[in-house]
Amino acid sequence: ETVLTQSPGTLSLSPGEGATLSCRASQSVSSSYLAWYQQKPGQSPSLLIYATSSRATGIPDRFSGSGSGTDFTLTITRLEPEDFAVYYCLQYATLPKTFGQGTKVEIK
Amino acid sequence: QVQLQESGPGLVEPSGTLILTCAVSGDSVSSRNWWWSWVRQPPGKGLEWVGEVYYDGRSNYNPSLRGRVTISLDKSKNHLSLKLASATGADTAVYYCARDPIAGRETFDYWGQGAPVTVSS
Repeated sequence: ETVLTQSPGTLSLSPGEGATLSCRASQSVSSSYLAWYQQKPGQSPSLLIYATSSRATGIPDRFSGSGSGTDFTLTITRLEPEDFAVYYCLQYATLPKTFGQGTKVEIK
Repeated sequence: QVQLQESGPGLVEPSGTLILTCAVSGDSVSSRNWWWSWVRQPPGKGLEWVGEVYYDGRSNYNPSLRGRVTISLDKSKNHLSLKLASATGADTAVYYCARDPIAGRETFDYWGQGAPVTVSS
């Protein structure tokens, strides 16, 4: 099983600042199969980024993904109030599909 | 517009079987274009993939569930089902169904609202 470790656990930032979220895998993940999800309280997760760097439909360009091998990053430039949420990475290259434990981006 | 809606008992007794259904509208579970998955989230915790099923009945499950899980399709009702046997408190979670495209590299592009399940006597 591929274990994904996200850091930091919590990121305290102000609107307008940038955020960098990390996702590290216990073994190499094909970059075609690494995704990021956003989850707000009481809501289902929603797809932000797939295949490491492709934005899902309707996702603004302040969200970007990068990385390869075992290290992946989600970057949010200029945080908007609606961006404060929990973010999860997912690897879907091998079974079982596995999620990271999440990074909470909170308002400072 | 694709919509997924989970339903089922909110309370399951320990050692009982948890059974949930996911009604799909705006799409067909008989389509070769998607896998259909279940993902769960214990209270205050992260996401865990439970398993998936394809239109032809093929399925894959998370080994952590140790053979307790079965996911199936009902094409006549256009829904998928989840059965989790020998439930314990560790199975208390919100259970989501999600669509997983075959083509391209998108994954879990549509989700249901989630069904909360508590395992307790």
